[in-house]
Amino acid sequence: EVQLVESGGGLVQPGGSLRLSCAASGFTFSSYAMSWVRQAPGKGLEWVSIVSGSGGSTFYADSVKGRFTISRDNSKNTLWLQMNSLRAEDAAVYYCAKDLGNYGSLFDYWGQGTLVTVSS
Amino acid sequence: QLVLTQSPSASASLGASVKLTCTLSSGHSSYAIAWHQQQPEKGPRYLMKLNSDGSHSKGDGIPDRFSGSRSGAERYLTISSLQSEDEADYYCQTWGTGSWVFGGGTKLTVL
Repeated sequence: EVQLVESGGGLVQPGGSLRLSCAASGFTFSSYAMSWVRQAPGKGLEWVSIVSGSGGSTFYADSVKGRFTISRDNSKNTLWLQMNSLRAEDAAVYYCAKDLGNYGSLFDYWGQGTLVTVSS
Repeated sequence: QLVLTQSPSASASLGASVKLTCTLSSGHSSYAIAWHQQQPEKGPRYLMKLNSDGSHSKGDGIPDRFSGSRSGAERYLTISSLQSEDEADYYCQTWGTGSWVFGGGTKLTVL
């Protein structure tokens, strides 16, 4: 059974940093791209970033480019999102999502999410 | 620019059928999409992949009541024999070169 468990959310001040984690199990982690998707309160889903199965290719939404870094450790079946220079508009529930393929396409499994609050 | 357009809301009666629409932007009518369901206060759940030829493959445990189809740039999700637990937000998703896109979502109310 595929499981994705996010952690690391919390309250952070504007300008601060936070590192989210996603522990994956139930599938061959290195064979699939992984994404972070966020959802601001009362809003729709917004794709944030994706990393290929090998970790060698990454893409970011314009809204987070230069501030967020996605990475993965295939030996630990773990995905991370390092978030720096956080802004009020980054406040959201952050989900990790497994891809159907190795390089990024459609998402077929989701975690339960972790809440990030940005406030002074 | 790759954009997915969904109606903000839809409603149908318990036991009836409903067809939700996701429209691909101009020049992208051949793209495959995914449909995701998000019940209140829960994370999203993958329902199916819908290919440009109209064929679809469903996620684990998705009932036969859920089906997909297409016409040109439109992609459809049909839910038959509506149940109360089908009341949820439904999102379509696709991808292009360096971008992964969601529609704005349709809030389905089961009357």
